[in-house]
Amino acid sequence: AQKVTQAQTEISVVEKEDVTLDCVYETRDTTYYLFWYKQPPSGELVFLIRRNSFDEQNEISGRYSWNFQKSTSSFNFTITASQVVDSAVYFCALSDNQAGTALIFGKGTTLSVSS
Amino acid sequence: DTEVTQTPKHLVMGMTNKKSLKCEQHMGHRAMYWYKQKAKKPPELMFVYSYEKLSINESVPSRFSPECPNSSLLNLHLHALQPEDSALYLCASSQAVTGNEKLFFGSGTQLSVL
Repeated sequence: AQKVTQAQTEISVVEKEDVTLDCVYETRDTTYYLFWYKQPPSGELVFLIRRNSFDEQNEISGRYSWNFQKSTSSFNFTITASQVVDSAVYFCALSDNQAGTALIFGKGTTLSVSS
Repeated sequence: DTEVTQTPKHLVMGMTNKKSLKCEQHMGHRAMYWYKQKAKKPPELMFVYSYEKLSINESVPSRFSPECPNSSLLNLHLHALQPEDSALYLCASSQAVTGNEKLFFGSGTQLSVL
C-alpha cells in the first residue's frame, strides 16, 4: 500500500536558519509522482514542486531545494535562510497508479520561523 | 488568472439547515475537486469532476451533494450535517484528471456545524 511519512510534526527555527523537512514514501509502482504543497495560515494549499519517479535530479528554486533519492525512498525539502513568511504547514504527497487521481498526503510538518 | 475562488469563507449552520459552498475557476481547467480537511490533518479527497461529470466519489455520505453546473463552477450542497462534519472544505482544480496534475487550491470554506 502507498504511504507518505513526514516524521517531523513541528519544527521551530529562527530566521536565516536553514531547515530540512523530511518525506519518506512507500509505493510498489515504478511510475509515481511526488509533490510538496505549502499551506499558510490563510488556508489554501500552494503547489511547490512535482517530481516523477524517473527524474532523480535535485531541484533548486530560489531558497527552496529538493533532494529526491529513490534508494532511500525520500524526497526531502530544504529551505535556506528561512524567513517568517515560510511559516506554514508543508505537505508531501504521492500519486501512483494505485492511487489514481487521489493524492496520498503525509500528515504535514508545521514550520514556525521566528524573527 | 490562476485563482480558485471559494465562497463563503466561513459558514456556521445548524444540523437542519441546507447550505451550499461555491467554487469558481477561470483557468480553463477540466477537473475540479472537493477536499475536506480537519484541523491538523491532511486534506482528504471527497469528489472529483472531470469534464463536468462526477468521476470519483470517495464514499462520501449523501448529506454532501456535489454539483458541477459548468466547467468553471463547482458547488457542494450540504443538508442535515453532523457536528463532526465541521472542517475546512477546499476546492481545487487541475488541467485534467490524472495522477500527476498540479492542483490549484482555493482558500477554503471553514464550516462549523452546531
